[in-house]
Amino acid sequence: DTEVTQTPKHLVMGMTNKKSLKCEQHMGHRAMYWYKQKAKKPPELMFVYSYEKLSINESVPSRFSPECPNSSLLNLHLHALQPEDSALYLCASSQVTSGTGEQYFGPGTRLTVT
Amino acid sequence: DQQVKQNSPSLSVQEGRISILNCDYTNSMFDYFLWYKKYPAEGPTFLISISSIKDKNEDGRFTVFLNKSAKHLSLHIVPSQPGDSAVYFCAASYRYGQNFVFGPGTRLSVLP
Repeated sequence: DTEVTQTPKHLVMGMTNKKSLKCEQHMGHRAMYWYKQKAKKPPELMFVYSYEKLSINESVPSRFSPECPNSSLLNLHLHALQPEDSALYLCASSQVTSGTGEQYFGPGTRLTVT
Repeated sequence: DQQVKQNSPSLSVQEGRISILNCDYTNSMFDYFLWYKKYPAEGPTFLISISSIKDKNEDGRFTVFLNKSAKHLSLHIVPSQPGDSAVYFCAASYRYGQNFVFGPGTRLSVLP
C-alpha cells in the first residue's frame, strides 16, 4: 500500500471556525509533512514530523497547529484562519533515513476560508 | 528569491518525440534533486531522483541529467506519451534532508 489518504477532500470554513485536516499512511514511514500550495505555485513546506516529533516548522503562523498522534496519522488543526490561507493542503510521508528522499503525497485538501 | 527555478511555465511536444524539462538552482549546498509529476486534483507523484555524485540517472523512459557546475538539471522523457501530460516539479534538498524546495513547475502537454 503506497497510498497517503487525506480527509476531507474539500473544506469551507469561516474565519471564526475550528476545523482539522487529517492524513494517514500505512507504509511504515516515520517522516510526515504538511505542505501548502497556492494556485499555479509550487508546494511550500509547512511542518515536518520525524518519529512523531516536530522537527521542522517553517515559521508557520500559530493559527495552524500540527499534531502527530501516532506513526500513521498526521493532523493539522485550523483556527481563526484568514481568507489568504485558502489553498490546497498536501500531506506527504517518507522514510526518515533511506537516503532516497522520495516523498509520497496525498491528493490534498482544498481549503476555502470565507 | 527563488532557489529553484523552472523558467518554462509550459511546454508542448508531439507524441513520440523527446520532452526536455529544465531546472536551475541557486543554492550550491543542494546536493539531492527530485522530479515530481502532478495531475489535476492529485498530489505530486515521485518520478526520479539524482544525487550530486552522479551526472545521470535513468529509469525507463525518464532520464535526469545534472550539471553541478552550471547548477542545472534536466528531465528527458523519451518517447513522450499523451499520459505524460501533467505539471512537472523539480525539487532540491540536502541529502538526507527533509526541507525540499520546489520549483514553480512546468506544464507539459504531449499532443497526439
